[in-house]
Amino acid sequence: QKEVEQNSGPLSVPEGAIASLNCTYSDRGSQSFFWYRQYSGKSPELIMFIYSNGDKEDGRFTAQLNKASQYVSLLIRDSQPSDSATYLCAVIFAGNEKLTFGTGTRLTIIP
Amino acid sequence: DTGVSQNPRHKITKRGQNVTFRCDPISEHNRLYWYRQTLGQGPEFLTYFQNEAQLEKSRLLSDRFSAERPKGSFSTLEIQRTEQGDSAMYLCASSPGYRSSYEQYFGPGTRLTVT
Repeated sequence: QKEVEQNSGPLSVPEGAIASLNCTYSDRGSQSFFWYRQYSGKSPELIMFIYSNGDKEDGRFTAQLNKASQYVSLLIRDSQPSDSATYLCAVIFAGNEKLTFGTGTRLTIIP
Repeated sequence: DTGVSQNPRHKITKRGQNVTFRCDPISEHNRLYWYRQTLGQGPEFLTYFQNEAQLEKSRLLSDRFSAERPKGSFSTLEIQRTEQGDSAMYLCASSPGYRSSYEQYFGPGTRLTVT
């Protein structure tokens, strides 16, 4: 069974600090990794994707991928109250075309 | 550039009734996906299309569920003889479908409540 694991939280971070969200996956051959943000009652919104080992930065967001450790993370710098949401990690496993999601980490930014 | 659209946004139906949902993908996106999400869980894959061809169906998808994508544009998802366990958010996503571009963009979803 191919799985994606996330700490469900809740994770509380002070405004202006760095929020760090982590995700592990079960298939070493996986190639494509995604972070979605989901506000309560809304649909998932794609905020980052990463396909190669290392870091990828986009504004306040940085995705980090370590394929050897089967680990992908999302850093949010200068956290804002509007960042409070559930963050879903998703993986396209090798030989698949579909997204497999973790259960999400609920993040709360404390003003 | 319009995003993925889904209709209706909300549907309340009685157990045993049939329901149909529609998804319009981002224009020029070849791939269209259906997912289902229940409270506290990540979305679960149901099925996907490359143009008009349905290429994969989840084992979660019972015979009561059917999906179509005629002409490779919009898609419909029909649930026959609905059950209370079908209550969920039904999400549609689309993707460009060409090599090196695997990102999937979700629509607003259709929330189904079966009473």
